[in-house]
Amino acid sequence: AQTVTQSQPEMSVQEAETVTLSCTYDTSESDYYLFWYKQPPSRQMILVIRQEAYKQQNATENRFSVNFQKAAKSFSLKISDSQLGDAAMYFCAYRSVGGGADGLTFGKGTHLIIQP
Amino acid sequence: GAGVSQSPSNKVTEKGKDVELRCDPISGHTALYWYRQSLGQGLEFLIYFQGNSAPDKSGLPSDRFSAERTGGSVSTLTIQRTQQEDSAVYLCASSLMPQSSYEQYFGPGTRLTVT
Repeated sequence: AQTVTQSQPEMSVQEAETVTLSCTYDTSESDYYLFWYKQPPSRQMILVIRQEAYKQQNATENRFSVNFQKAAKSFSLKISDSQLGDAAMYFCAYRSVGGGADGLTFGKGTHLIIQP
Repeated sequence: GAGVSQSPSNKVTEKGKDVELRCDPISGHTALYWYRQSLGQGLEFLIYFQGNSAPDKSGLPSDRFSAERTGGSVSTLTIQRTQQEDSAVYLCASSLMPQSSYEQYFGPGTRLTVT
């Protein structure tokens, strides 16, 4: 079974600064997907960014980018130019490439606080 | 277009009562997923539907939990004889197809409190 570990229960960053959230995972599979989800107080999970394991290039979505280190099984999220609206819980998640009955496996989450 | 909706938004029930939680996926999405988010266990995957069938029910926490999906659309998660440990937020998600390359869209969840 796969496991996902987020070692930072809470992180704080000044508005406009850069913050990096850590995630490590354990799997015996060679191909899979990794995701970062954002959960604001409204509870609705929103996909921030995803990475396919067979792609060596790190995914980027505007101010959000990942540092994917497959050999180290590490998948960190970098948020540049932090904004007040970025404040939320952030969850790292894993999914086998086939999908289907293999749902998302989530980490425990990191609470991101943005200081104005 | 409309996203995934769930009802009720919040539910308070007495221990031992049965509850039904409803999920309306995005129209046309064939795959539907239920997750549970609790303080103790974090986010857990419960069950997946492809169309109306659930090929693997082993993720359901106990035999008090059941789920069905009718007409390839609406799904209900039923918890019988609720216990305090069932208190959690129950999240539903849907995707166009079940493969991992297709994004899962989440609903706002149902917060269940068992007193």
